[in-house]
Amino acid sequence: AQKITQTQPGMFVQEKEAVTLDCTYDTSDQSYGLFWYKQPSSGEMIFLIYQGSYDEQNATEGRYSLNFQKARKSANLVISASQLGDSAMYFCAMREGFSGGYNKLIFGAGTRLAVHP
Amino acid sequence: DAGITQSPRHKVTETGTPVTLRCHQTENHRYMYWYRQDPGHGLRLIHYSYGVKDTDKGEVSDGYSVSRSKTEDFLLTLESATSSQTSVYFCAISDFMLPISTTNEKLFFGSGTQLSVL
Repeated sequence: AQKITQTQPGMFVQEKEAVTLDCTYDTSDQSYGLFWYKQPSSGEMIFLIYQGSYDEQNATEGRYSLNFQKARKSANLVISASQLGDSAMYFCAMREGFSGGYNKLIFGAGTRLAVHP
Repeated sequence: DAGITQSPRHKVTETGTPVTLRCHQTENHRYMYWYRQDPGHGLRLIHYSYGVKDTDKGEVSDGYSVSRSKTEDFLLTLESATSSQTSVYFCAISDFMLPISTTNEKLFFGSGTQLSVL
């Protein structure tokens, strides 16, 4: 069964506007972590943001925020004020269980975001 | 940036030949992982290690073996490469660090190896 679902293969947004990338997950664990990574055309994987299942506040990192809706099992990434450099592939990922530094992640298929001037 | 070096960065090989990819880290992290990236599948875990000589299978381990004889090196071997193993391979590392922070919840990735099996 697919654990992480990203239903948008591709998205586009106008520069300076906000965009939401969708991610839903499936787990029976009470403790888990949700991640977003960015992969620009150069290929490296860049960590963006993390949300723990017990965190009550939505995570934020600069222009990135994670809209965590536990009951719906969704962890959408919101990018505010999009920039041309945000054009990339974005992956949602999940770690089941407590970390302790051990992070065996399950990834979604990714969403390719294009930012238009 | 985490000190992770993958070698080679690019490799073209023929079906049936053995291939070894190397991941070297300078962070002394306990956990190491090999992922492959394919369009439509995201990244899928091949094998991982939780210490020297301690390894286990991931989601897509068939056709792959690994070895970790030193903390800093994690080798991925394709015993007899097939065209279905054409992919981008990523090594990643993680560990528990003090002070406690979000850093403990991260995977740090290498730059990837593009492998083409003809």
